[in-house]
Amino acid sequence: GNSVTQMEGPVTLSEEAFLTINCTYTATGYPSLFWYVQYPGEGLQLLLKATKADDKGSNKGFEATYRKETTSFHLEKGSVQVSDSAVYFCALSRSSGSARQLTFGSGTQLTVLP
Amino acid sequence: DTEVTQTPKHLVMGMTNKKSLKCEQHMGHRAMYWYKQKAKKPPELMFVYSYEKLSINESVPSRFSPECPNSSLLNLHLHALQPEDSALYLCASSDVDGTGVRSNQPQHFGDGTRLSIL
Repeated sequence: GNSVTQMEGPVTLSEEAFLTINCTYTATGYPSLFWYVQYPGEGLQLLLKATKADDKGSNKGFEATYRKETTSFHLEKGSVQVSDSAVYFCALSRSSGSARQLTFGSGTQLTVLP
Repeated sequence: DTEVTQTPKHLVMGMTNKKSLKCEQHMGHRAMYWYKQKAKKPPELMFVYSYEKLSINESVPSRFSPECPNSSLLNLHLHALQPEDSALYLCASSDVDGTGVRSNQPQHFGDGTRLSIL
């Protein structure tokens, strides 16, 4: 079956530090890959996506590249801010009839200290 | 600002009460979803509606009853809930892959209803 494995948290960084959150997946076919972010007390927001091998998704300084050879979709940011403190979920999307089902990783709590 | 609106934001109810959660989207999406999220965990899929028809029920207890009155609205009716049902309930919507061609569109989530069962 499909699955997503995410780096265990929590992760604590100082402001302006480099961020990497590892994500690997197992899937049949060609899934689309997503990173979602959840701020305290809110729902999930789409951060970025990639739909085929070697695609790079980017948004708000975050980047992730769809690597089919290593089945990975690691999230990176060059310089984190306090406002980036949140929970980050890696997810893959697969067809289920005419709707799309998401398989989530376990989530990684990021805390950025000033 | 989220494009998926959920009401109420918070709900406290007793185990014998009946209440409903509401979700609305105006993005023209034809798939809508209910998820349950416990603290420090990823969302767990409960139900999927596609073209206003229930297409997936992930073995959810019958005390949760979904309803999709039209393509913009999704309800979750609650009755005789248990304390372990306390959680954040998230609604999402997405474009539908109606032709069998792979869709690249993500799901869009609301901010959720935080439900507490006394």
